[in-house]
Amino acid sequence: GESVGLHLPTLSVQEGDNSIINCAYSNSASDYFIWYKQESGKGPQFIIDIRSNMDKRQGQRVTVLLNKTVKHLSLQIAATQPGDSAVYFCAETPAGNYGQNFVFGPGTRLSVLP
Amino acid sequence: DTEVTQTPKHLVMGMTNKKSLKCEQHMGHRAMYWYKQKAKKPPELMFVYSYEKLSINESVPSRFSPECPNSSLLNLHLHALQPEDSALYLCASSQRENQPQHFGDGTRLSIL
Repeated sequence: GESVGLHLPTLSVQEGDNSIINCAYSNSASDYFIWYKQESGKGPQFIIDIRSNMDKRQGQRVTVLLNKTVKHLSLQIAATQPGDSAVYFCAETPAGNYGQNFVFGPGTRLSVLP
Repeated sequence: DTEVTQTPKHLVMGMTNKKSLKCEQHMGHRAMYWYKQKAKKPPELMFVYSYEKLSINESVPSRFSPECPNSSLLNLHLHALQPEDSALYLCASSQRENQPQHFGDGTRLSIL
């Protein structure tokens, strides 16, 4: 299940199940979005990106969905594996507007249960 | 292995010390960034360099002083830091501003 509160939101899934991590953004001018994965003791790692002229993009085992109407972004991970355990951040930017850079969401911790 | 190298990995310093964090990339990226990350929080942008010129300073206190000696190197000079400055400091680079960033693994800084 998913919990939100004073602590980092956590999503726990069984190994082999699909994971869905959500992100709400507030800047209607944002037109470029990235998902990053941060494992313990490491820096964020690029997973997948999407521009606002698309509503879906697929990578290897990952899919990003963008709903501009409700300013919502999601990351779907298929057949979740123990190596997927990490904190996932969405980041947004109005890409064409230099002087503003990526703003990171609060993050979600994904825990994969054996 | 990360393509952005940060040194040192850990640093403990007193409030009167002067130290520097270093970051290096050889991907030909022309934008480089410093972020601060507290535990269980997202990275917060501090500085952006674009073509070796300071592009963005997110109202960072002057006790943090960035320097970009050349297109491959980025330094963060530290002086008279406070205990609340203890955090993970991340360096990143991208081909240009507002493009996907490659992050180093950070320097974990502790201020005594």
